Amino acid sequence: AQTVTQSQPEMSVQEAETVTLSCTYDTSENNYYLFWYKQPPSRQMILVIRQEAYKQQNATENRFSVNFQKAAKSFSLKISDSQLGDTAMYFCAFMAYFGNEKLTFGTGTRLTIIP
Amino acid sequence: KAGVTQTPRYLIKTRGQQVTLSCSPISGHRSVSWYQQTPGQGLQFLFEYFSETQRNKGNFPGRFSGRQFSNSRSEMNVSTLELGDSALYLCASSPGQQNTEAFFGQGTRLTVV
Repeated sequence: AQTVTQSQPEMSVQEAETVTLSCTYDTSENNYYLFWYKQPPSRQMILVIRQEAYKQQNATENRFSVNFQKAAKSFSLKISDSQLGDTAMYFCAFMAYFGNEKLTFGTGTRLTIIP
Repeated sequence: KAGVTQTPRYLIKTRGQQVTLSCSPISGHRSVSWYQQTPGQGLQFLFEYFSETQRNKGNFPGRFSGRQFSNSRSEMNVSTLELGDSALYLCASSPGQQNTEAFFGQGTRLTVV
């Protein structure tokens, strides 16, 4: 079984600053995917970024990037130039390569961007 | 392209009743997954259907069941509702062929009184 741990229940940062959200996971799988999802007050889960475990290069999507450390089982999300619209719950999630679409989520980090 | 549609958005039921929630996936997507989100337990996987077959099931009692129709629309049913079933139920759709981008609906907020 997989577990995903997010140790920061809440964070806040000034607009335009950079913030890093932490995530660690535990698995015996060798092939898997890691995700960061954002859940704004509208409740809809939105995919922020995805990382394939077999890729050494860290994924980047505009202002969002990850620091994937496979040996340490760590997967942090960096948000650069933070914007008010980034205010949301952020969930780290794991999916085994042959996991039939099952996502295992962390408990989330509530991020507030302060104007 | 229309997104994932969940109906109804809000629901209030009484203990002991049963409820059916619906999810229409993105056109062309064949996999539908269901998740329960509560403040105490977080996001938990319920089950996943692909081409009308349940491929994966989470650790929930038998009161929770689901099905998928030939047009990929899915329903989940909870029988004999308990107060602890109050939650946001999220549906996610994906193509299902090892494609890992799941698109979520806005959820159904179920309140059991």
